[in-house]
Amino acid sequence: DIVMTQSPLSLSVTPGQPASISCKSSQSLLHRDGKTYLYWYLQKPGHSPQLLIYEASSRFSGVPDRFSGSGSGTDFTLKISRVEAEDAGVYYCVQGIQLPWTFGPGTKVDI
Amino acid sequence: EVQLVESGGGLVQPGQSLRLSCTASGFMFGDHDLSWVRQAPGKGPEWVSFIRRKAYGGTTEYAASVRGRFTMSRDDSKSIAYLQMNSLKTEDTAVYYCAKRWGGFGPLFDYWGQGALVSVSS
Repeated sequence: DIVMTQSPLSLSVTPGQPASISCKSSQSLLHRDGKTYLYWYLQKPGHSPQLLIYEASSRFSGVPDRFSGSGSGTDFTLKISRVEAEDAGVYYCVQGIQLPWTFGPGTKVDI
Repeated sequence: EVQLVESGGGLVQPGQSLRLSCTASGFMFGDHDLSWVRQAPGKGPEWVSFIRRKAYGGTTEYAASVRGRFTMSRDDSKSIAYLQMNSLKTEDTAVYYCAKRWGGFGPLFDYWGQGALVSVSS
C-alpha cells in the first residue's frame, strides 16, 4: 500500500496569514496518463470531509482561490494564501493512483 | 440538492452483522460510482469499498481489512447503496460515510453523507 505522510501534524495560524501543509507519498502518484492522482480534503469539526483540490493542483468547484495545490511525483503542498477563520479543521491528503486509496494522518489547523 | 443519507448503524457484538444503507437524491444515481469511507474515533478517514456504475460493470473493490467480510451493492431503481458487514470486529468501530464520486479517477468525492456510527463491542 502507498503510505502518505503529512507535516506538520498541527498548525496554528493567525487570520490573514499564509499557511502551508506538506504531503509525501511512498510512491510516485504520476499516472501513465500524465495526471497526478493526489487529492486534498478539509474536515471541519463535526462535518464530513469536503474536497478542496484534485489531481494535485486543480481547485474543485466552489473552493476559494486562496487554496492552491502544487507538487509532483511524491512531494505535494497545499497552500492557503490568507487564512480565514472558516478554514479551521483537519486537512487530509489522499492518493488515488492505486487501490487501496490511502489517506495521510491529517494536519490540524487552528485559527 | 444532492443528498446522501446513511442509516443502519448501531451497537453490535463482535461476530455479528449489520447492514448500512446510503439513500441518495438530487442526482442521477445510476450514473455515478460510490464508496464507503470510515473514520474511527479520533482517527483519519480510511477507504473501505467502492462500487462502479453499471455502465462500468457495477464491480466492487475492497480494502484488505474488510475483504471477505463486507459486501457493497447498489440498487439503482431505489437510489440506494448498501454495505453488508459480517463478522464484525471491534476494530470496525467507526463512523461510516457514503461518498459519491464526481467522476474521473481515484477518490474524487464531491458529496458525502453525514455518516452512520457503527460500534462493535462486547
